[in-house]
Amino acid sequence: NAGVTQTPKFQVLKTGQSMTLQCAQDMNHNSMYWYRQDPGMGLRLIYYSASEGTTDKGEVPNGYNVSRLNKREFSLRLESAAPSQTSVYFCAARASSPETQYFGPGTRLLVL
Amino acid sequence: TQLLEQSPQFLSIQEGENLTVYCNSSSVFSSLQWYRQEPGEGPVLLVTVVTGGEVKKLKRLTFQFGDARKDSSLHITAAQPGDTGLYLCAGRRTHDMRFGAGTRLTVKP
Repeated sequence: NAGVTQTPKFQVLKTGQSMTLQCAQDMNHNSMYWYRQDPGMGLRLIYYSASEGTTDKGEVPNGYNVSRLNKREFSLRLESAAPSQTSVYFCAARASSPETQYFGPGTRLLVL
Repeated sequence: TQLLEQSPQFLSIQEGENLTVYCNSSSVFSSLQWYRQEPGEGPVLLVTVVTGGEVKKLKRLTFQFGDARKDSSLHITAAQPGDTGLYLCAGRRTHDMRFGAGTRLTVKP
């Protein structure tokens, strides 16, 4: 029972390159989230998916796209990476009762 | 500006000392959560408080939700080096959850 897994753990991109961050959960939760964490800013919500087949924008969606491939998987895509997207990205799955968000270990992204 | 302001940003204390960290907002939340995050890992939920004025205890940690459900505090008694980490508060609103920037606590042996 791995909980929430994320790949890759580290990535270096050049400005303009694209990449997809992968997230998978084995807890059968409906809701999944993508956050970015920057120093002094806390966790900010990029996109979320309340259930399979639905996605919604969060606080900072610009420059990102998401796909809820199935109940287990929720991917985050950067089509044209920018230095401002250098950050640590966390995926989370949410249990309803009691309400708990389970976070993955994060992906550290550096855009040069 | 952050919806949830946490203070202090950084706190360094000696083992055995007591401490309180704060999470304040002008917004009302239906619930508030506290997470602890260690370097290189994702945040882990410590507690959820739901009712205004609610107090919850988790061993040496005491969490309080303000009467107006706008703020919260975390008190640690007799801190230990194992308490070192980033403490994040998160407030639940109707459609989302907002996080504070965190208090980075270091407990020296």
